[in-house]
Amino acid sequence: QSALTQPRSVSGSPGQSVTISCTGTSSDVGGYNYVSWYQQYPDKAPKLIIYDVTKRPSGVPDRFSGSKSGNTASLTISGLRTEDEADYYCCSYRDTKYVFGTGTEVTVL
Amino acid sequence: EVQLVESGGGLVQPGGSLRLSCAASGFTFTRFWVTWVRQAPGKGPEWLANINVDGDDIHYGDSVKGRFIISRDNVKNSLYLQMNNLRAEDTAVYYCAKYAVYSGFAMDVWGQGTTVSVSS
Repeated sequence: QSALTQPRSVSGSPGQSVTISCTGTSSDVGGYNYVSWYQQYPDKAPKLIIYDVTKRPSGVPDRFSGSKSGNTASLTISGLRTEDEADYYCCSYRDTKYVFGTGTEVTVL
Repeated sequence: EVQLVESGGGLVQPGGSLRLSCAASGFTFTRFWVTWVRQAPGKGPEWLANINVDGDDIHYGDSVKGRFIISRDNVKNSLYLQMNNLRAEDTAVYYCAKYAVYSGFAMDVWGQGTTVSVSS
């Protein structure tokens, strides 16, 4: 099963906004509103930060927001902070299965 | 505290088998679908399999279908992954996770992972 496509890396200065794209197909991202995003620090388990395309679990700062257009979902981090430096992965439902993205490393300059 | 704890990882030769366990605590295990996800060194996560609350609705990813078996024991609050005919490319950290109560399509609690190495 092919992974969803994400940019390898994005960067920004503290306070700026960055957006990470996640491109799939009409069989996954475009076909369902079941895209989730995960933040992962080195040697740690992924942490859920966005679910069902746009929703945030309790405790996740509202600096994190999600959206979708067609076959591409996006995660935006507004007001970038040093602690946001991590890897980010999208994940989409795909007809009884799930597929993750290739991952994006966020660097805070 | 809601917690998932994996165990059973280790070094195994190609063609061998291994059984991973995941112990759940702090929540009503019998109310949630649960899943296995792995992450190879330097790679992104890969979804492997999930199982419903009763254990009779199971789905597998293409890379493990026919070799891995997911199961659960609701009395022991445990999830399992029987891995057979292991290959070098199965080397990874294996995580168990539960689906969120607010979305049956997002994984809100993850274990710390257990490492599987397949090598001769």
